Amino acid sequence: NAGVTQTPKFQVLKTGQSMTLQCAQDMNHEYMSWYRQDPGMGLRLIHYSVGAGITDQGEVPNGYNVSRSTTEDFPLRLLSAAPSQTSVYFCASSYSGRQGMGGYTFGSGTRLTVV
Amino acid sequence: EDQVTQSPEALRLQEGESSSLNCSYTVSGLRGLFWYRQDPGKGPEFLFTLYSAGEEKEKERLKATLTKKESFLHITAPKPEDSATYLCAVQAYRSGSNYKLTFGKGTLLTVNP
Repeated sequence: NAGVTQTPKFQVLKTGQSMTLQCAQDMNHEYMSWYRQDPGMGLRLIHYSVGAGITDQGEVPNGYNVSRSTTEDFPLRLLSAAPSQTSVYFCASSYSGRQGMGGYTFGSGTRLTVV
Repeated sequence: EDQVTQSPEALRLQEGESSSLNCSYTVSGLRGLFWYRQDPGKGPEFLFTLYSAGEEKEKERLKATLTKKESFLHITAPKPEDSATYLCAVQAYRSGSNYKLTFGKGTLLTVNP
């Protein structure tokens, strides 16, 4: 049982490049989400999904795309990287309903630098 | 809009010196309040969920309490290994999106030996 696995752990991109941050969970969680964490800003929700084929925007969705074709995977795509997207990205998952009140399980994060 | 404010931003304690962290929140219809611990370079780790005013939960040296406007995380006789950033988050009852968490900015706790 690996929990939530994020890859890569570190990435440097040039402005304008695109890339995909991978997130996979093996706990059969319905809910998955992406957060970014910046100094002094806390964790902010980018996109989330309540199940395969269902996604929605969070607080800061601009510049990012997501899809959820399987229960296990929830990749985050940066379409055209900008320096403002330099951040630490966390994927999190949980059960839905009452079981979800047991809290999110977070991945270990991807540290992204855009130059 | 849901809001979570944590104070202080940073707290430095001596080993064994008990204290409390504060989390003030504004939310329409609280479904749950969550506490997480985050170590440097790692993802947040779940500690507690509180559901209603008056509720308390304990885990080792940590005790979380909840009122209608705020939550406290009490740390009794802390040890250096309790040093971490503690995050508070709220979840509101909302049609179609009951799972979203709104986080505070966290309190960085340092416990000196």
